[in-house]
Amino acid sequence: ETGVTQTPRHLVMGMTNKKSLKCEQHLGHNAMYWYKQSAKKPLELMFVYNFKEQTENNSVPSRFSPECPNSSHLFLHLHTLQPEDSALYLCASSQQGSEGYTFGSGTRLTVV
Amino acid sequence: GIQVEQSPPDLILQEGANSTLRCNFSDSVNNLQWFHQNPWGQLINLFYIPSGTKQNGRLSATTVATERYSLLYISSSQTTDSGVYFCAVDNTDKLIFGTGTRLQVFP
Repeated sequence: ETGVTQTPRHLVMGMTNKKSLKCEQHLGHNAMYWYKQSAKKPLELMFVYNFKEQTENNSVPSRFSPECPNSSHLFLHLHTLQPEDSALYLCASSQQGSEGYTFGSGTRLTVV
Repeated sequence: GIQVEQSPPDLILQEGANSTLRCNFSDSVNNLQWFHQNPWGQLINLFYIPSGTKQNGRLSATTVATERYSLLYISSSQTTDSGVYFCAVDNTDKLIFGTGTRLQVFP
């Protein structure tokens, strides 16, 4: 374990479902991130939260809705997704101004 | 925004060989990291190296910030080194990834 825990590890959902991905960090970091990794594409930054405030929304469709209730927890709420949203979703945390980003193990999402 | 290019895109080695992976970036950076992504998707942090040289076992990395590139050296490669190696840089409080180098090491 890296200190960043993501659940679930795998998720299969229908296009009409609503589900949530969870990320928790135990490192005392003040920033958290969601990244998306699709097949054959580089990792794409989706959202940035700094001290619980969203500071970046990288043109992500509204069917993805992030929530950061405190600096240790980050959620990604999913609704009415499309098959092309199937991907590996990775959470990361960092202490801005300090050393490095730490990633969780990811949630592999399949939309059917 | 900042551009990150990695080369080569693919690399096939026999066990025991050495290799060098390169990362070029288009602007000055506060942070540069090398990651190894294993077959299960986990991104393992190898080095935090915005400048200078670091070594960890068979791996070492060098970043020449003034010339905007970084190199990752793998010596005496093993089959467990297989996977995708990513370089990622940060200059505006967000980490931007290169497209990766896919390494396959055969026995």
